[in-house]
Amino acid sequence: GENVEQHPSTLSVQEGDSAVIKCTYSDSASNYFPWYKQELGKRPQLIIDIRSNVGEKKDQRIAVTLNKTAKHFSLHITETQPEDSAVYFCAASIGGGSNYKLTFGKGTLLTVNP
Amino acid sequence: KAGVTQTPRYLIKTRGQQVTLSCSPISGHRSVSWYQQTPGQGLQFLFEYFSETQRNKGNFPGRFSGRQFSNSRSEMNVSTLELGDSALYLCASSSGLAGGKTYNEQFFGPGTRLTVL
Repeated sequence: GENVEQHPSTLSVQEGDSAVIKCTYSDSASNYFPWYKQELGKRPQLIIDIRSNVGEKKDQRIAVTLNKTAKHFSLHITETQPEDSAVYFCAASIGGGSNYKLTFGKGTLLTVNP
Repeated sequence: KAGVTQTPRYLIKTRGQQVTLSCSPISGHRSVSWYQQTPGQGLQFLFEYFSETQRNKGNFPGRFSGRQFSNSRSEMNVSTLELGDSALYLCASSSGLAGGKTYNEQFFGPGTRLTVL
């Protein structure tokens, strides 16, 4: 089946702490894994993505790790700031080439307390 | 470049009616995907159009349909509305020209908030 499980559904951290969100997927053929951030009342925006030929990718305070064997990937945010507060969605590609679709997790509401 | 736009931004309909939503992709993008977003359910894939052809479809009933025009603008139609159709409908555009195992970033529009009474 085409399933992406995301945990936790809510996460509250203190400013400056790290936050980790984990996702698992079921389709072993999935090979593209984007993460989106959606602030309240706004559209989802891509913050980082990773492809299956890479185990880790980092962009400033944000990093994503991928374990294809275990079929899970994680988002790591370090030195969190109040503006990181938002809903974060993971997704996995289903299908190959240009004919693919994204299956999304149900989201994680991250709250960063000042 | 202008971003993805969607019209209208808000809609209120009653059960049994039908509705048409519109999405204009980023200039040069040929792929438009549609998603339904409801609280606690995340984003659920409806369908994707590329060069006026439906290329992928999610698990939604036939009441949900779409089309794409030659200028890549896309419309989504929902017939015989039900209360459960109340949601934020998002479209996303990408170049769609990937081959092999190359994937393209999807850029989302602001969404259309549909309320069915």
